[in-house]
Amino acid sequence: ETGVTQTPRHLVMGMTNKKSLKCEQHLGHNAMYWYKQSAKKPLELMFVYNFKEQTENNSVPSRFSPECPNSSHLFLHLHTLQPEDSALYLCASSQVPGALNTGELFFGEGSRLTVL
Amino acid sequence: AQKITQTQPGMFVQEKEAVTLDCTYDTSDQSYGLFWYKQPSSGEMIFLIYQGSYDEQNATEGRYSLNFQKARKSANLVISASQLGDSAMYFCAMREGPGSGNTPLVFGKGTRLSVIA
Repeated sequence: ETGVTQTPRHLVMGMTNKKSLKCEQHLGHNAMYWYKQSAKKPLELMFVYNFKEQTENNSVPSRFSPECPNSSHLFLHLHTLQPEDSALYLCASSQVPGALNTGELFFGEGSRLTVL
Repeated sequence: AQKITQTQPGMFVQEKEAVTLDCTYDTSDQSYGLFWYKQPSSGEMIFLIYQGSYDEQNATEGRYSLNFQKARKSANLVISASQLGDSAMYFCAMREGPGSGNTPLVFGKGTRLSVIA
C-alpha cells in the first residue's frame, strides 16, 4: 500500500454531475496538495493546505472545491465541470519544508477524470 | 516565463547504458531546491533525488546522480546502468525560497525515457 492513497482511480462524469475525489496520506505529513496533469502540459498546482489551512489557490475555477478536514485527508469536490477539465488529478503530501527537511512531495497514483 | 525547462521530449537508451536527462531552471533566489521525479505508466510520481542550492557536492541516490551546475542553472539527472524498469516519464522540479514556509514545487514538462533491450 502506498503512503498516499487516492480514490477513485478512474471517474467518468457528465457536465451536470457532482462528484468528489478523495486523498488519504498515512505518512504523518502536515501539508497536502492537489495537482492537475493534462496531456503535454506541466503539472499544475491547484491547492495547498498547510496544517489543514489553505495557503494556495492557484487561480482555480470555483467548480473545483477543496476540503481538508484534517491533516490526513484531502478532498476535491467537483461540480458542473467542462470537458477540458478531463485530466489526471494527483494528490501529494509532504512535511512543510524547513531546516531539517527538504519537503519533497509524496504522490498518490492519481484519479483519472473524464468529463463527457 | 517558464521556470523549469526540459528540452528533451523523449529519449532512448540501451539497457545497461547511462543516460542524462537535461533540466535547466530560472530563479533569482539564492536559496532553492531541485527535485527529480519518475512517473511510470501507473501514474504515481516517485521522488528520486534532491539537490539544495547550497549543497557543494552533487547528490547521488543509488543509480541516480544529479549533475548540478549552478552557474549554468542546470540540474541534469544521470541514470547509470539503465534497466527496462526505468522506462517512464521523468520530471524536474524546483522550489524557490528559504527552507521555511511552503513555496510550491514547480515542474517541467517532462522527458519520456524508453529503455531498449
